[in-house]
Amino acid sequence: KQEVTQIPAALSVPEGENLVLNCSFTDSAIYNLQWFRQDPGKGLTSLLLIQSSQREQTSGRLNASLDKSSGRSTLYIAASQPGDSATYLCAVLMNRDDKIIFGKGTRLHILP
Amino acid sequence: EAQVTQNPRYLITVTGKKLTVTCSQNMNHEYMSWYRQDPGLGLRQIYYSMNVEVTDKGDVPEGYKVSRKEKRNFPLILESPSPNQTSLYFCASTSGRLAGNNEQFFGPGTRLTVL
Repeated sequence: KQEVTQIPAALSVPEGENLVLNCSFTDSAIYNLQWFRQDPGKGLTSLLLIQSSQREQTSGRLNASLDKSSGRSTLYIAASQPGDSATYLCAVLMNRDDKIIFGKGTRLHILP
Repeated sequence: EAQVTQNPRYLITVTGKKLTVTCSQNMNHEYMSWYRQDPGLGLRQIYYSMNVEVTDKGDVPEGYKVSRKEKRNFPLILESPSPNQTSLYFCASTSGRLAGNNEQFFGPGTRLTVL
């Protein structure tokens, strides 16, 4: 059974720092991996989607990488800002049964 | 505007009183799904549908029903709600694995309290 783990569960960093969020998965038979942002009490906003054949995707200050064989993805945030404070979730879409499995998220706090 | 809508956004009900949470998307997506989000447990998939009249159980389907009679709508039905179904529910849609870009779009969420 696929398990998606995100480490750390929470992270506080000073404004301006570069940071990396981690996502690991136990079953490499994924179709894609998607990173989301969730603000408190709100829905999820898609940040980046990486197909299984891709290695990375970039959008502005965000860069997501995927190493399917080792079951890892990272979300790199450059020059962090207080507005980046949110919970970040990763999710994988499985080849086998089309289920989508989420990690529990990393709660990020950027200190002004 | 491309969007996923859910209604109601907030609902307080009592044990055993049947309820339906509606979900609609305007992007002609094949794949729709329902999640519940609970503290410490994250987002868990309840049911998903790959197309009209095709539904499958996710990880936590017990106590829920769904239907997919039209492509745009995917209602979540709780026939006899219980307090352990108190949660924040999200509906999402995507073009699906067979159709290229599979970015998921989420609704705003429905906060359900069962007394």
